[in-house]
Amino acid sequence: GQNIDQPTEMTATEGAIVQINCTYQTSGFNGLFWYQQHAGEAPTFLSYNVLDGLEEKGRFSSFLSRSKGYSYLLLKELQMKDSASYLCAVRDLANTPLVFGKGTRLSVIA
Amino acid sequence: DVKVTQSSRYLVKRTGEKVFLECVQDMDHENMFWYRQDPGLGLRLIYFSYDVKMKEKGDIPEGYSVSREKKERFSLILESASTNQTSMYLCASSLGDNSPLHFGNGTRLTVT
Repeated sequence: GQNIDQPTEMTATEGAIVQINCTYQTSGFNGLFWYQQHAGEAPTFLSYNVLDGLEEKGRFSSFLSRSKGYSYLLLKELQMKDSASYLCAVRDLANTPLVFGKGTRLSVIA
Repeated sequence: DVKVTQSSRYLVKRTGEKVFLECVQDMDHENMFWYRQDPGLGLRLIYFSYDVKMKEKGDIPEGYSVSREKKERFSLILESASTNQTSMYLCASSLGDNSPLHFGNGTRLTVT
């Protein structure tokens, strides 16, 4: 079976750094995606990892360890507009749909 | 930019009605998907299609069907709407495995 775990909610302070973890148990591995979803809006793509290591994109970075079945999304210099849900999604076998975690709701406070 | 358009933002239907949710993408993507999103349950896959005329069941296909007569259009059909199908429905498309999903703005369906 497939299982993707993320914390349900997190709170962080404006200007700080926050790390959102995602662990997965799947039969195979063919890539991991992170999406951002503001309340009432569609998810939008943030990052893609298929090899171990860190992918950096501005204030956002995503890390993958395939041997540990683990990824994290790192958000630096938090802004109020970063308050949103962050969805981790994994593809276990090639040419199969992504499986989504339930998402982590991040609240950024002043 | 890829545009995925869902025909309705909000819909209210009665129990037993047949409901059509339309989705069109403009980037010649092969793959299209229908998800529903409910609080505490996340995104759940209803049906997907990797080519015209092709369709595959996702994790929760019961009570739904789909149609993909043209590459750019993927329709979700609720044969006889029920109150437990009240949800946010999201359509998405992608170029391939290594490409991200592009989502439509969603249709919030209420069945009364």
